[in-house]
Amino acid sequence: DTAVSQTPKYLVTQMGNDKSIKCEQNLGHDTMYWYKQDSKKFLKIMFSYNNKELIINETVPNRFSPKSPDKAHLNLHINSLELGDSAVYFCASSQVLRGRPSYNEQFFGPGTRLTVL
Amino acid sequence: QKEVEQNSGPLSVPEGAIASLNCTYSDRGSQSFFWYRQYSGKSPELIMSIYSNGDKEDGRFTAQLNKASQYVSLLIRDSQPSDSATYLCAVKGGYQKVTFGIGTKLQVIP
Repeated sequence: DTAVSQTPKYLVTQMGNDKSIKCEQNLGHDTMYWYKQDSKKFLKIMFSYNNKELIINETVPNRFSPKSPDKAHLNLHINSLELGDSAVYFCASSQVLRGRPSYNEQFFGPGTRLTVL
Repeated sequence: QKEVEQNSGPLSVPEGAIASLNCTYSDRGSQSFFWYRQYSGKSPELIMSIYSNGDKEDGRFTAQLNKASQYVSLLIRDSQPSDSATYLCAVKGGYQKVTFGIGTKLQVIP
């Protein structure tokens, strides 16, 4: 029944390591997102894919690389992890109809709490 | 100027009272407006969306939009302790990008 799922839920790792977070949605949506929520609880967009095409790419270090193998999956790979990468990362999805007005109601996954030591 | 502004609170209201949460935004071209509720340690949950000027009611929740004043609000009637959470205002501006405010922490006192 889970609409948007993420793995892992918790990730604790050392500085300099490379890690991946996976996201899957079974809502039939065509657009997926990665958000970062920092210690001050500010939720900020990082990337968005529509039908496997990158449509939003905010000012994010190039150590972060998203990948969408199909419209139901969006993964996030992070190279050379730094202390400042510690945050909760949320995946979200919505239905966006290209060329037509869309309201973009987004549904969030449970989050992945990343701690870099 | 922040794109979406909210008072971070906390906003404390007694049980049964009306909680009023406010949000202003800077992009006049914004098209869609949302309120999300986030409990501590949980993910944001969409509770209201509004797209045209005026009021939209859903149960105990009413969203109000005034595009001329670039202002969105959320009223929660008969506030319950279970409503205690952070409420995030979100605004859809440019192509599919939704910008979130810092959120207002609401505390409903029994």
